[in-house]
Amino acid sequence: ETGVTQTPRHLVMGMTNKKSLKCEQHLGHNAMYWYKQSAKKPLELMFVYNFKEQTENNSVPSRFSPECPNSSHLFLHLHTLQPEDSALYLCASSQEAYNEQFFGPGTRLTVL
Amino acid sequence: GQQLNQSPQSMFIQEGEDVSMNCTSSSIFNTWLWYKQEPGEGPVLLIALYKAGELTSNGRLTAQFGITRKDSFLNISASIPSDVGIYFCAGRRRTGNQFYFGTGTSLTVIP
Repeated sequence: ETGVTQTPRHLVMGMTNKKSLKCEQHLGHNAMYWYKQSAKKPLELMFVYNFKEQTENNSVPSRFSPECPNSSHLFLHLHTLQPEDSALYLCASSQEAYNEQFFGPGTRLTVL
Repeated sequence: GQQLNQSPQSMFIQEGEDVSMNCTSSSIFNTWLWYKQEPGEGPVLLIALYKAGELTSNGRLTAQFGITRKDSFLNISASIPSDVGIYFCAGRRRTGNQFYFGTGTSLTVIP
């Protein structure tokens, strides 16, 4: 595997479900990010991790819970989501925090 | 939050034509990035700019860091069908760390 990978690529869940998104980067980077991409809106930064430590939480509701066990892996745990949370969730990584970011293919999330 | 305005929002052009798009902000930026996103994929970094007036090329793509530091431009020469996608700008202010993204320019190339 090369670059940034994300699984699953598509996810449909009910409002009461609990699910997790996974991201893995194979670039040797130290920083990882979660973004939300909704139609007709700019990418919204959600979380930033630098050397496994969270350095930014952009006022994200607590129903989104990130986890970064090491510099190569990033998770986004989801629970009791709302239909308006349906979007493309993109993971990215960079060599150092806030440098140029390289994105994964995203997880298309639909909340019913 | 910081807003970046990209124009045009969409373009429909004939294969072989040149393309120009731009991105403007209300703040001074010290870094500009240009990404391309194809359907079902994440954004791919095309060009990074770090200095006012800088002009950088990547194949048929050329991007410029505006001298006001509040804008950036992307040109594509001799467009081909595989240029289809959404082109995003992203910028970072002198103060602060976060990159802010534009809403994208959707490009359609007609063979």
